[in-house]
Amino acid sequence: AQSVSQHNHHVILSEAASLELGCNYSYGGTVNLFWYVQYPGQHLQLLLKYFSGDPLVKGIKGFEAEFIKSKFSFNLRKPSVQWSDTAEYFCAVNADNSGYALNFGKGTSLLVTP
Amino acid sequence: EPEVTQTPSHQVTQMGQEVILRCVPISNHLYFYWYRQILGQKVEFLVSFYNNEISEKSEIFDDQFSVERPDGSNFTLKIRSTKLEDSAMYFCASQWEASSYEQYFGPGTRLTVT
Repeated sequence: AQSVSQHNHHVILSEAASLELGCNYSYGGTVNLFWYVQYPGQHLQLLLKYFSGDPLVKGIKGFEAEFIKSKFSFNLRKPSVQWSDTAEYFCAVNADNSGYALNFGKGTSLLVTP
Repeated sequence: EPEVTQTPSHQVTQMGQEVILRCVPISNHLYFYWYRQILGQKVEFLVSFYNNEISEKSEIFDDQFSVERPDGSNFTLKIRSTKLEDSAMYFCASQWEASSYEQYFGPGTRLTVT
């Protein structure tokens, strides 16, 4: 069965620090990859997605992610975080043999301190 | 911007009781989903619904669960006889078309079974 791993469960950064959140998945076929964010008290929102083409995808609010097929990874990055980036971040995978259901990682809680 | 809405935000019920969780998807969307997140665990797919029938369901979605789109706007999840382990946050999501793969999530209903 496919699985999604997010290695960092809790991350604390100071404002202006760079961010990289890891995401690995286990599935050998074609995948669609997503990062969702959940700000405190709000619903899950799509940050960015990868289906095909350029493995470096850019999303909203300055986030980007790189798909490395050989490493089964889709890490999320932001060069300089802000206090408003404090949130829970979820990596999700949709495999081509599983309809449209999303398989989520456990999430990473990011706290950005002033 | 259109949003997925869910009611109630919090539901408390006794073990063995039936509950109905309600969702109003975005109006022109065609695909509908339920996910749940048990406290401290990852978001898990339950079921997807398209063209008035279930298109996909997970192992979690057993006979005690059912979904319905009774009136063309609401999308409901019914749990017939709740168990303590059904306590979780339940998220509804909707998607415009298959190829977009972009699911829009509601704020969730926190179900507490006592």
